Amino acid sequence: EPEVTQTPSHQVTQMGQEVILRCVPISNHLYFYWYRQILGQKVEFLVSFYNNEISEKSEIFDDQFSVERPDGSNFTLKIRSTKLEDSAMYFCASSELGGTGRNSPLHFGNGTRLTVT
Amino acid sequence: AQSVSQHNHHVILSEAASLELGCNYSYGGTVNLFWYVQYPGQHLQLLLKYFSGDPLVKGIKGFEAEFIKSKFSFNLRKPSVQWSDTAEYFCAVKSTGKLIFGQGTTLQVKP
Repeated sequence: EPEVTQTPSHQVTQMGQEVILRCVPISNHLYFYWYRQILGQKVEFLVSFYNNEISEKSEIFDDQFSVERPDGSNFTLKIRSTKLEDSAMYFCASSELGGTGRNSPLHFGNGTRLTVT
Repeated sequence: AQSVSQHNHHVILSEAASLELGCNYSYGGTVNLFWYVQYPGQHLQLLLKYFSGDPLVKGIKGFEAEFIKSKFSFNLRKPSVQWSDTAEYFCAVKSTGKLIFGQGTTLQVKP
């Protein structure tokens, strides 16, 4: 079964550094998402992306965050200047369709554990 | 704002016990409802989903969930749990583009 793949699985960075988290969504999917899960807390929506632009973002997704689909397969999340509180598991997801409907379930990657020291 | 509430944070059961995990959501319009499972060290996997039709949906690994519109609930059930069901379970609702997750329930099954 096709999978969403994320790299790296674990990223350690110093406060203030830029990080790029990479994702390869399922090939025929059109909608892409980033979620994060701070240790011990719920999975939180960050951003959704469709047709090469952000379709929705949460209040967490401030100017420090950006997303990009640099080519036909990758979907990246960049954090410009990391803070300690950015430490979390970041999940990429993709879906064939957006909104509601039978082809809209999200498929998640294994996540990237980001540790900011 | 839409929200999802899972009643139990941590559930401990013995093998063969029956399971019911509660989930309530706050959105009144058309919703899709999901249960995801996260086994230790793994990604979120879809257990089951409800879009329309029969409110009792069956998922993988013997799980089922019942959508009760009047109660805004979508409880997850399994008649007899196994040790391998030890995991974190997330209820989620999708009304527009994004999934809103509950806080998760950690299920620990003792052999």
